[in-house]
Amino acid sequence: NAGVTQTPKFQVLKTGQSMTLQCAQDMNHNSMYWYRQDPGMGLRLIYYSASEGTTDKGEVPNGYNVSRLNKREFSLRLESAAPSQTSVYFCAASRAPGAQETQYFGPGTRLLVL
Amino acid sequence: AQSVTQLGSHVSVSEGALVLLRCNYSSSVPPYLFWYVQYPNQGLQLLLKYTSAATLVKGINGFEAEFKKSETSFHLTKPSAHMSDAAEYFCAVSDRDSSNTGKLIFGQGTTLQVKP
Repeated sequence: NAGVTQTPKFQVLKTGQSMTLQCAQDMNHNSMYWYRQDPGMGLRLIYYSASEGTTDKGEVPNGYNVSRLNKREFSLRLESAAPSQTSVYFCAASRAPGAQETQYFGPGTRLLVL
Repeated sequence: AQSVTQLGSHVSVSEGALVLLRCNYSSSVPPYLFWYVQYPNQGLQLLLKYTSAATLVKGINGFEAEFKKSETSFHLTKPSAHMSDAAEYFCAVSDRDSSNTGKLIFGQGTTLQVKP
């Protein structure tokens, strides 16, 4: 039981390049989330998916798109990377959509945009 | 808008000493409250959460936190620090709103250093 997995672990991009960050969970959870972590700012929500087939914007969605491919997988796409998107990206999953639900986090993807 | 403040970006304690990490929230309606821990190069792991049962919440690894409505606080404590407690700690809140599908607002984090 791997929990939440993310690929790749580390990526270097040039400005303007595109890439997709992958996230998968094997906990049969309904809700999934994408966060970015920047020094001194904690984690900020980019997009979330309350259930399969739905996605919604979080606090910092500009420059990103998401796809909830199925119940297990939730991908994050950068269409044209910018240096401001250099960050550590975390995917999380929770059993159900709800304010008191525990979110389980993946190990993160470190992205450097030159 | 809801916000979370963690006082002190770095806290240093000696092994065996009391750990106190501070967290204050801003809303007039008490939210759900969480403490997460992040060890180096890992994802976040839940330590404990407050969902309006007992105001003193016990978590993993000997940590506990007390919800104080009058002070809008949810400070994290541990009586005796271990070297293995060195990590970054995040306080997070989630609004008690039926439309809230799980959006967490995180504090900026506190790095705990434990000295031998």
